[in-house]
Amino acid sequence: DTEVTQTPKHLVMGMTNKKSLKCEQHMGHRAMYWYKQKAKKPPELMFVYSYEKLSINESVPSRFSPECPNSSLLNLHLHALQPEDSALYLCASSPTSATTYEQYFGPGTRLTVT
Amino acid sequence: GNSVTQMEGPVTLSEEAFLTINCTYTATGYPSLFWYVQYPGEGLQLLLKATKADDKGSNKGFEATYRKETTSFHLEKGSVQVSDSAVYFCALSRQAGTALIFGKGTTLSVSS
Repeated sequence: DTEVTQTPKHLVMGMTNKKSLKCEQHMGHRAMYWYKQKAKKPPELMFVYSYEKLSINESVPSRFSPECPNSSLLNLHLHALQPEDSALYLCASSPTSATTYEQYFGPGTRLTVT
Repeated sequence: GNSVTQMEGPVTLSEEAFLTINCTYTATGYPSLFWYVQYPGEGLQLLLKATKADDKGSNKGFEATYRKETTSFHLEKGSVQVSDSAVYFCALSRQAGTALIFGKGTTLSVSS
């Protein structure tokens, strides 16, 4: 099973709201990722967790706060977002093998900030 | 630095036509190479991969060969279907737990 699930599928929030995006995988992968994708663009990396520890933060504004409660779950907490943060947020996971580098993506959460 | 360049579309084909989407890369060492496909309103799906020179990745009638001498990983399909209409991303990775480096994506539109 190569499935990564994400909830919710769609989210509309105001600039003063607090919300969370959730991601789950049961493939035993120990690396999990958050990407942001704007329309007609490739995904851009935001964060990487490796063995439940934050290993990469691509200078993401603090209004985005990631959390990895266990090896299967990844959350992205959102607070005081701006309209330009509207995008598709993709979660991915991968093995930490030295020979296999592919990442498996979830269906994404379509976020609209009003 | 590492980068991926792929032909920009849109690519418009009739059903059963031959498809080629060009992809070249710049990277030190021996990256793994991937093609991902994104259907409208969905996430990215791994279409195929290759991990070393001369490897051929294949899936669902699509093929791509890792050519180190030309630093290329062109995607081909002998006979496209309407259901192949999507955005295709070429990507590379040099290490687990790091970012995938994507090309800009190529939109394929297939008409019947």
